[in-house]
Amino acid sequence: QITLKESGPTLVKPTQTLTLTCTFSGFSLSSSGVAVGWLRQPPGKALEWLSLIYWDDDKRYSPSLKNRLTITRDTSKNQVVLTLTNMDPVDTATYYCAHLDVSGVISSAFEYWGQGTLVTVSP
Amino acid sequence: SYVLTQPPSVSVAPGQTASITCGENHLGRKAVHWYQQKPGQSPVLVVFDDSDRPSGIPERFSGSKSGNTATLTITRVEAGDEADYFCQVWDSSSDHLVIFGGGTKLTVL
Repeated sequence: QITLKESGPTLVKPTQTLTLTCTFSGFSLSSSGVAVGWLRQPPGKALEWLSLIYWDDDKRYSPSLKNRLTITRDTSKNQVVLTLTNMDPVDTATYYCAHLDVSGVISSAFEYWGQGTLVTVSP
Repeated sequence: SYVLTQPPSVSVAPGQTASITCGENHLGRKAVHWYQQKPGQSPVLVVFDDSDRPSGIPERFSGSKSGNTATLTITRVEAGDEADYFCQVWDSSSDHLVIFGGGTKLTVL
C-alpha cells in the first residue's frame, strides 16, 4: 500500500524559506522508474506542478519557479524534501506530494497523493 | 508553455450524463489524464492515458479524445460526483513537464 504524507510549517513570513518534507511508504525511490513530485493548489484555484525527483536522482523543476526551488531525497528515510525560497503571499497554497512510476502502466499521471498541507504566507 | 482549457463549470441533473472538455492545440499528441477533487480532499485519478480507468474507478467514468479536445464523460451522474475535475498532460519534450487544466466545477442539480 502506497502512502505519502507532507509535513512542514503551516505559517511562514514573506521572504522566508519554506521547507516541506514528504514521507512515504509502500515503495522505494531507488526502484527504477519511480519518482516523487510536488504540486500545489492555491485556495480555490487550479493545481500547479512544482518539481519532480526520479529514482536516479534526476530532478525537474517548473520553469516559472526554477530559481526558487530545490528538491532532494533521502532514500534511507523514505523522504523527499522541497525548499522554496523567498516566500510571498501568492505562494499561499496547499502543497501536495505524489507518486509517479514512469515505467508502470500509469506512467505519466500521479496515482497516489498525500493529504496535502496548507501553507499560509503572512507577516 | 501552453494552457489546457476547461470550462469553469458544468451542471447536470442526477441520472444524466456530464461531459467535461479539455482543449489545447497539440493535445492530440499527448496522453491526457483526469482527476476528481472533492472539497478538502486530495485529487483522485479517474482516467489516465485518454481513456483508461485505474483500478476501483466506476465504469461510469470514461475518457475520450478527438483531435485537440479530450472529454471526460460521467454517465448516470450521482450527487457524490459533485467535485472539481482537472485534466493533466505530460510533456517530456518541454521544460513544462506537467501541465494542468484550470479545472471544472461539476454541479449536480
